[in-house]
Amino acid sequence: LAKTTQPISMDSYEGQEVNITCSHNNIATNDYITWYQQFPSQGPRFIIQGYKTKVTNEVASLFIPADRKSSTLSLPRVSLSDTAVYYCLVRPSGGYQKVTFGTGTKLQVIP
Amino acid sequence: GAVVSQHPSWVICKSGTSVKIECRSLDFQATTMFWYRQFPKQSLMLMATSNEGSKATYEQGVEKDKFLINHASLTLSTLTVTSAHPEDSSFYICSANLGQGPYSNQPQHFGDGTRLSIL
Repeated sequence: LAKTTQPISMDSYEGQEVNITCSHNNIATNDYITWYQQFPSQGPRFIIQGYKTKVTNEVASLFIPADRKSSTLSLPRVSLSDTAVYYCLVRPSGGYQKVTFGTGTKLQVIP
Repeated sequence: GAVVSQHPSWVICKSGTSVKIECRSLDFQATTMFWYRQFPKQSLMLMATSNEGSKATYEQGVEKDKFLINHASLTLSTLTVTSAHPEDSSFYICSANLGQGPYSNQPQHFGDGTRLSIL
């Protein structure tokens, strides 16, 4: 299983764009990059997933360089409700494949 | 979209009691589900892989006789913490996904977790 490295914590003011970068140097060819958000006492919630280049949905964008050894989650104009822990996961294709959580990034949005 | 439900969301019981936690895939069938444990201010730790119709696969260091897993149907996996003690108090989370055929690239979907407190 590919290991991921993220900053332990980040602070941001409301309304700013937040970029959280994750390193996954030993990512395999069949691996996907998935980001989750977790609030206290809740299960992780899926945010976005990608394989290469850029993926955008209604809540975030995911940037993946050509070598795929890192990825950046971009949250546009964060609000206080975006305060949470964000996890970057690398997982093989196939739902039966287990995933390992890294430390995650604790994002604190400041008024 | 895919939804995973856990029950109960919170349980408090006396030391020595066995506690069962249910994980259901509400709108899809899941031949594989996963169980995690999370201590305060820590990340999720994978405990075991639950396989429908066969024995669960446990991660190193997880006692299979302590944490009994049953995956008797394609929509239900249960985790039973046997003879629970205060050190078993934690947040238990399950996950599942479609993961079959053309859906093999779908991400894992997580339940909302079960807070277990052993007195």
